[in-house]
Amino acid sequence: EVQLVESGGGLVQPGGSLRLSCAASGFTFSNYEMNWVRQAPGKGLEWVSYISSTDSNIYYADSVKGRFTISRDNAKNSLYLQMNSLRAEDTAVYYCAREDVYSAASFDYWGQGTLVTVSS
Amino acid sequence: DIQMTQSPSSLSASVGDRVTITCRASQSISSYLNWYQEKPGKAPKLLIYAASSLQSGVPSRFSGSGSGTDFTLTISSLQPEDFATYCCQQSYSTPRTFGQGTKVEIK
Repeated sequence: EVQLVESGGGLVQPGGSLRLSCAASGFTFSNYEMNWVRQAPGKGLEWVSYISSTDSNIYYADSVKGRFTISRDNAKNSLYLQMNSLRAEDTAVYYCAREDVYSAASFDYWGQGTLVTVSS
Repeated sequence: DIQMTQSPSSLSASVGDRVTITCRASQSISSYLNWYQEKPGKAPKLLIYAASSLQSGVPSRFSGSGSGTDFTLTISSLQPEDFATYCCQQSYSTPRTFGQGTKVEIK
């Protein structure tokens, strides 16, 4: 069974940092592109970042470029999001999502999410 | 960036109703359009990929159509477990933009 489990969320002050993790199981993690997606309270889904299976390609939303860094460790079946210079508008539930290139690059599995709250 | 616009933003329907949700892209995305179901406290669930392909395990009352810029998600006979928010997403280009969501509520 495919499972994605996020961790690392919490309360942080503006300007602070957090590192989110996503532990993957039930599939060959190194074969899949991965994404981070967030949802602010009462808002819709917002794509945050993408990393290819071998981390040769990485993309970010303009709203986080220069502040967030996506990475992965295929040996540990883990995806990460290092978030620096956090702002109130980064407050959201953060999801990791697997991308299936054979299904129009849709996000076929998602984690349950981890809540990040940026507040003083 | 490609903008995705859904309509309506919300709707009220009864069990057994046929429901149609529309998603429009700001430029052609071929068939790179996916539909997700969102429920509070749960992970989003992929329903339809490539505009009209039903994801494994998803009931056949869900269907999708369209190509280019205009797409629809149809629920042929609304069931109690279908009351949720539905969201489209384009996977034609990066950033992978989402629509704002359509909340389906009980009438």
